[in-house]
Order: sequence, then structure tokens, then C-alpha cells
Amino acid sequence: GDSVTQMQGQVTLSEDDFLFINCTYSTTWYPTLFWYVQYPGEGPQLLLKVTTANNKGISRGFEATYDKGTTSFHLQKASVQESDSAVYYCVLGDSYQGGRALIFGTGTTVSVSP
Amino acid sequence: ETAVFQTPNYHVTQVGNEVSFNCKQTLGHDTMYWYKQDSKKLLKIMFSYNNKQLIVNETVPRRFSPQSSDKAHLNLRIKSVEPEDSAVYLCASPGTDQDTQYFGPGTRLLVL
Repeated sequence: GDSVTQMQGQVTLSEDDFLFINCTYSTTWYPTLFWYVQYPGEGPQLLLKVTTANNKGISRGFEATYDKGTTSFHLQKASVQESDSAVYYCVLGDSYQGGRALIFGTGTTVSVSP
Repeated sequence: ETAVFQTPNYHVTQVGNEVSFNCKQTLGHDTMYWYKQDSKKLLKIMFSYNNKQLIVNETVPRRFSPQSSDKAHLNLRIKSVEPEDSAVYLCASPGTDQDTQYFGPGTRLLVL
């Protein structure tokens, strides 16, 4: 079945560092890929959506692209701030028995120190 | 702007009790979802409900059941809770972009 693998469980950075998180996905269909971010005590919220390979999604200083050849999907930010500390999920949209459920990666906890 | 509302925020109960969580969305879509987030922050779909049709994930125990009064409300009932039901339960619904889901703040359940 469709799946997404997110290998980095924890990333620790200082302010102004470069952030890079990578995922791989598996699907037999044309993927719709998302990055969601979750802050403590809140539900996940959409950060970026990418529907076309090699096209770049951009939001709030974050960029995301996916490579169909390597079935990889990554998120990056040139200069992180302490407020970017959160859990980041790569997510695959899945047509699920008629509904469109989301398949979440295991999440990357990003901690940014001032 | 919040569009998916959940109550309560937090609930503590004992094994064997019945609980019910509420979810309301103002996005105008007729599809709603329940997800479970465990202590390791893993998020998994439980089921979805659209056009008055329930689509159940076969891995969901039968003690879980969704209850819908209209397309804006999808509650979650758990009969006879078990310790492994301790988790955060998140409700979601699509917006105008049907691929993108918007989540509520979640209900944290603790089963003693």
C-alpha cells in the first residue's frame, strides 16, 4: 500500500541555521504531497502542498519539492528561528476507500535554540 | 482562523467507561475524518465520513463508532475504553481544496 518514510526523528539547530528534512514515499498513483507542522497543544496545520514533481512549494520561508525519480520529498528553510520549533510531518494524500485520507510520516521534531 | 472545533480538550476516565468527543467544522465540506495520535506522535486515520456514508478503517476496534447529526458534525464514541485508547484524537475536514485537510486542536484522552 501507499506509505511515507521520514527518517529524521529529531533535529537540533541554532537560529539562522539551515533546515533540511527529507522523506521518501511509495504510491502507485500520482502523489499529492504535503508538509504539516504541529505546535504543542495544537492540531497539525498545513505548511506546504506540492502536486507536481520538481515544482517548488513556498510558504513562510519554507520550500518543498519532490523528485519522482527518487520518490523523495524534502522541506528546507534557509534560516530558522526559534519560533520554527515544532514537529514537522511529511504527508502523502491517499485515495482511501473513496475518502482521501492522509498518510503521515513519523514526524521530525525540530528544536531551535536562540 | 479556526474552522474545526473539538470538545473537550482533555478527558480522564477509567477502563470500561464510555466516552464521547465532539467535532464541528465550518468549512462547508461534507467529509470529515477522525485521526488518532499516539504517545510517540504517530498519526493514523481511523475513519472518514462523507455524503452520509461511513468509511471505516478495518483496523479500528469495534468499540469505536462515529456519530453524525449533520454534515458539519462528526462525534466519536468509544464504548468501554481500554488503556491503549489513551491518545489524542484529532478531527479534520477538507476545505475548498479537497486534498487539503484542516485539523481541530484535538481531544486528549487518558484512560486510568
